[in-house]
Amino acid sequence: DAGVIQSPRHEVTEMGQEVTLRCKPISGHDYLFWYRQTMMRGLELLIYFNNNVPIDDSGMPEDRFSAKMPNASFSTLKIQPSEPRDSAVYFCASITLGGQDNTEAFFGQGTRLTVV
Amino acid sequence: ILNVEQSPQSLHVQEGDSTNFTCSFPSSNFYALHWYRWETAKSPEALFVMTLNGDEKKKGRISATLNTKEGYSYLYIKGSQPEDSATYLCAPTKYGNQFYFGTGTSLTVIP
Repeated sequence: DAGVIQSPRHEVTEMGQEVTLRCKPISGHDYLFWYRQTMMRGLELLIYFNNNVPIDDSGMPEDRFSAKMPNASFSTLKIQPSEPRDSAVYFCASITLGGQDNTEAFFGQGTRLTVV
Repeated sequence: ILNVEQSPQSLHVQEGDSTNFTCSFPSSNFYALHWYRWETAKSPEALFVMTLNGDEKKKGRISATLNTKEGYSYLYIKGSQPEDSATYLCAPTKYGNQFYFGTGTSLTVIP
């Protein structure tokens, strides 16, 4: 497996534009997480899905953010409209339950978003 | 969202020094604790998963301990090397397997 794949790797957009980040989890993993990393706040959990169903989206900063998982192999995180303070690295991670000792999160390479 | 605290936020040590840092978390409904190592421009790499109170895990010069009753874990690095420079993240999980990362401890090892 190629691991968790995120696209694009880098995105530069103007304030007010819509931004869509994409994630392909590892095949067979039934949990998918979206995180945002900034210098100020570190790594924040935005939302996670179990079997394509959103379970906890309390970390989503505001209504401008939305996430979907239409099937087990694809998820999107959308920001509309984007603002400069949304600039961050967005990570996607997937896990599968292998018991307490075998549950590990595999992360994608991240999407570096810059909103100007 | 689980409240996870890591301290210190950043640390500078000389090459060869040993160091340690802390992860604190609510002890109720504890399931497992994960430590990750995150180098700049790379995605986080799993170091340890610990589940039992009193657990101690070791990987080379890095080791970790777990106290689930009081809700903390320590990560130790013996004889720090420049390649140990990274951010170290802890992530406790509750039943239901929600991952909640702390803000991390940024370690810089000075040659």
